[in-house]
Amino acid sequence: GQNIDQPTEMTATEGAIVQINCTYQTSGFNGLFWYQQHAGEAPTFLSYNVLDGLEEKGRFSSFLSRSKGYSYLLLKELQMKDSASYLCAATGGKLIFGQGTELSVKP
Amino acid sequence: DAGITQSPRYKITETGRQVTLMCHQTWSHSYMFWYRQDLGHGLRLIYYSAAADITDKGEVPDGYVVSRSKTENFPLTLESATRSQTSVYFCASSTSGVVEQYFGPGTRLTVT
Repeated sequence: GQNIDQPTEMTATEGAIVQINCTYQTSGFNGLFWYQQHAGEAPTFLSYNVLDGLEEKGRFSSFLSRSKGYSYLLLKELQMKDSASYLCAATGGKLIFGQGTELSVKP
Repeated sequence: DAGITQSPRYKITETGRQVTLMCHQTWSHSYMFWYRQDLGHGLRLIYYSAAADITDKGEVPDGYVVSRSKTENFPLTLESATRSQTSVYFCASSTSGVVEQYFGPGTRLTVT
């Protein structure tokens, strides 16, 4: 079957670092996406990992281990505006989304 | 340049009525998608289209109909709305099936 797991909620402090984990099981896996979704808005693309390893993009980094079916999104120097839901999605032909991790950044 | 738009943004309808949600993109993307987003389920794919006149089912297609006569439009029709179809519906587009998708602003549908 196909399954994506990520924590439902996380809380972190402004200026800190937070890691959001995602495990997946999909047939014909191609790559792993991360999207950000603010409340009441559409998801917006953050990153796409195809190969194993870490991809860095400013304050955000994403890691993939294909052999372990595991990815994480790392957010550094957290800001209040980073409070949002973070969606992990695996593609194996069709895009399968996890339920999202609701991140709350506290002052 | 509007990108990808959806209409209406909000809709209230009654059980049993037919309702059509519209999606329009100006990028000439080949692929278009319809998702629904519900608490506890995340985003689930309803239907997608790889090109005009080519559509395929996603994870939750029952009760929905799509068509794609033009590349830029991908309407979603609920033939006989049910309360379980109350949801937020997102349309998305992309250049292929394995690259990032660009989402429209969503339509919040309530079936009473």
